Amino acid sequence: GQQLNQSPQSMFIQEGEDVSMNCTSSSIFNTWLWYKQDPGEGPVLLIALYKAGELTSNGRLTAQFGITRKDSFLNISASIPSDVGIYFCAGLLVGKLTFGTGTRLTIIP
Amino acid sequence: EAQVTQNPRYLITVTGKKLTVTCSQNMNHEYMSWYRQDPGLGLRQIYYSMNVEVTDKGDVPEGYKVSRKEKRNFPLILESPSPNQTSLYFCASSVQGQPQHFGDGTRLSIL
Repeated sequence: GQQLNQSPQSMFIQEGEDVSMNCTSSSIFNTWLWYKQDPGEGPVLLIALYKAGELTSNGRLTAQFGITRKDSFLNISASIPSDVGIYFCAGLLVGKLTFGTGTRLTIIP
Repeated sequence: EAQVTQNPRYLITVTGKKLTVTCSQNMNHEYMSWYRQDPGLGLRQIYYSMNVEVTDKGDVPEGYKVSRKEKRNFPLILESPSPNQTSLYFCASSVQGQPQHFGDGTRLSIL
């Protein structure tokens, strides 16, 4: 089955730094989603994008749905300790949801 | 409280012993789906259901069965589990076409 190319796989940053991650696909999607997963829990939705070119913010998070419908990025500004976790992109087409392999974010004290 | 409930949360069993993981949602969602999560592979969709009595294969359906006899429940059945099905499983539900709400996961170990 298809998987999305998500990069980077991991990031080590200092508190206060900005973060950027992205996903690319060989197929188009109708919806792009970004989730965060903490240890021992299910993924939690951060941002949903429904239209090509759409730029959406949720607090310190900003995400964009690529014009080609084959990519998306997520930015986190001024990172804080609770941002630590694994971030997943996901593309939705009809009933099928395809996930990226995740970006693990670690904040160095 | 809106939630997706999976049971059991943890299970250790042996090869070939049939098992069922239950999933129930209280949000009257039409859509439900199952995923497995393995290190380095992210989440992969096993099956999904757009509505009662309608189910479709996801990316990794081999070795699994599902049924959707009523809206709130979507059990995952492993008729003859094998060690390669050892994984962390998530159920999710949503209104059609909308982002999905995930359960807390079921960790299966098959020896």
